[in-house]
Amino acid sequence: EAQVTQNPRYLITVTGKKLTVTCSQNMNHEYMSWYRQDPGLGLRQIYYSMNVEVTDKGDVPEGYKVSRKEKRNFPLILESPSPNQTSLYFCASSFAPWETQYFGPGTRLLVL
Amino acid sequence: AQSVTQPDIHITVSEGASLELRCNYSYGATPYLFWYVQSPGQGLQLLLKYFSGDTLVQGIKGFEAEFKRSQSSFNLRKPSVHWSDAAEYFCAVGVNTDKLIFGTGTRLQVFP
Repeated sequence: EAQVTQNPRYLITVTGKKLTVTCSQNMNHEYMSWYRQDPGLGLRQIYYSMNVEVTDKGDVPEGYKVSRKEKRNFPLILESPSPNQTSLYFCASSFAPWETQYFGPGTRLLVL
Repeated sequence: AQSVTQPDIHITVSEGASLELRCNYSYGATPYLFWYVQSPGQGLQLLLKYFSGDTLVQGIKGFEAEFKRSQSSFNLRKPSVHWSDAAEYFCAVGVNTDKLIFGTGTRLQVFP
């Protein structure tokens, strides 16, 4: 089944404790991206990747890191999480930015 | 700067009534335009998209949208709403061929 998977689905952590949210797709997509969804703000792009080893900042990259060592995986790293990073995070993939984005189920993060 | 505006935060309609969700964008060139739907607790699913050609675009679940260049709009319509259409709807604009900008969303509530 074609899908985007994210882990974990729910995470509660404390300020400053490094965490990684994994994202994996099995559709051989070149383009992958991370979004955060906050009430009243919609989805905002954090980082995106056009292909392996090619990543770029979206609109809200501060406090986040990503890597794209393999085509299928695009982990999101929070080196030192802060409460303002409490949010719902979505990973998405597609063949190109203008093609249909396939979204993962979301990761709900709470930073205390 | 590029932006997407969905002026209606929340819309309530009766089942069987017609629906129009508004989307306006700000971008210098003709953008790629998308409508996505997010059902409660789910990721986003593409309803339809516009790249070029016919300005009236048909999508899944009986939705359509019309691109109006003169008004910088891409409004979503459905002639008869079903209770299962209750969800949050996001308009998105592809800019610079590598980024997607989402609107803040419109929550649709459907009364029987």
